This record gives sequence, C-alpha cells and structure tokens, in this order.
Amino acid sequence: NAGVTQTPKFQVLKTGQSMTLQCAQDMNHNSMYWYRQDPGMGLRLIYYSASEGTTDKGEVPNGYNVSRLNKREFSLRLESAAPSQTSVYFCASSYRGQSNGYTFGSGTRLTVV
Amino acid sequence: QKEVEQNSGPLSVPEGAIASLNCTYSDRVSQSFFWYRQYSGKSPELIMSIYSNGDKEDGRFTAQLNKASQYVSLLIRDSQPSDSATYLCAVNGADSNYQLIWGAGTKLIIKP
Repeated sequence: NAGVTQTPKFQVLKTGQSMTLQCAQDMNHNSMYWYRQDPGMGLRLIYYSASEGTTDKGEVPNGYNVSRLNKREFSLRLESAAPSQTSVYFCASSYRGQSNGYTFGSGTRLTVV
Repeated sequence: QKEVEQNSGPLSVPEGAIASLNCTYSDRVSQSFFWYRQYSGKSPELIMSIYSNGDKEDGRFTAQLNKASQYVSLLIRDSQPSDSATYLCAVNGADSNYQLIWGAGTKLIIKP
C-alpha cells in the first residue's frame, strides 16, 4: 500500500520555467490537497479538490494551477516559476474533508533560481 | 484572520519525562483538532485527533481540549529520543470542511 506518492522529490528550476508536480493516492480518498511549507510559516494550502471533478483555491493560489485528473491523481503546475515559489510542496489526501485527518506524500523540494 | 499559535521552541525534555505541547486557536466555532508529528526532512504524520472537550488518550499520547479557553495540548509520557520532532497543531476552518488552519509547529528535543 503506497499511500500518497509525489514526484519528483527534488527539482531546481530557473526563473520563468514551468513544471508540474504529480501526486497520486491509492487509498480511495475523495479529497486531495496541495500545500507548501516554508520555514516558520507552517503549512499553507494552495489548492484543494473536495472530490473528483472539483477544485478550489486555498490560501495562496497565485502562480499555481491544478488538475484533478481522476479520483487518484491531482497535479500542481507552476506556469512561470519565481524565486518566491522556492519551498517544500506536500500533496495530501483524505477520505472526505478534514474530519478524519490527512495522509501526506513525502514532499517535493523545489528551488527556483 | 483565523490563527493557530504554537511556541516554536525548541522545547527540551529529559528522556522519560512528560513533554507538554500547547496550541491556541482564534476561531471559536472550530470543531476538529489535530496533532501531527513531522520528523526533519519528512512529511507530517497524524498522531492524534480530538473533537470534544476533555482528554483523549492513545498509548503514551494524551490530547487535551478546552474550547472555552480555546486551547489544545498534547502530552507525551515517558518521552523517548524517537519523539524528537516538530509537532504541528491543526484546527478545522469552520467555514470550510476542507481547510485546516495550521500552527507553525513546536520543535521538541528529547535529551537522553
């Protein structure tokens, strides 16, 4: 049982480049989330998908787009990377909403130079 | 602005002692409260959830909730070096079933 799988684990981008972070879960969860974590700031929600076919903005959506490809997969795209997007990105999933807690992927460490 | 506040630490506790971690939140209507453990370089892992006032025990961990005072705490009994990690408090956003509000975490160090 793999849980939540994120790829890649590490990435270095130049300013202005684009990339897509991939996330897949095999727990039959309905809801999926993308967070970023910066030192001293805690986890901040970028986008979430309450269920297949829906996506909504979180606290810090600017500069990002998402796609809920199917029930298992939820991708995060940076169209034109900026140094301010240097962070650790976590994908998470839950059965339905936040009431049962989240399962997190192992994270992607992104550096934009 | 809804907030969750935690002391960033580090909190240093001798092995075998009780570690006490605290968290306060600003939204009075929050209903769900979580503690996550995050080892350095790893992802957060859910260790406790609590929804009602009082104590909830799970092994060496006890979560305590006081809604009137708007705080939630985590006690770790018989602390072990393996408990050294950052502990994140998360509270549900009352206006959304899908958003948690996160504290920045308390770094706990258990000294052998």
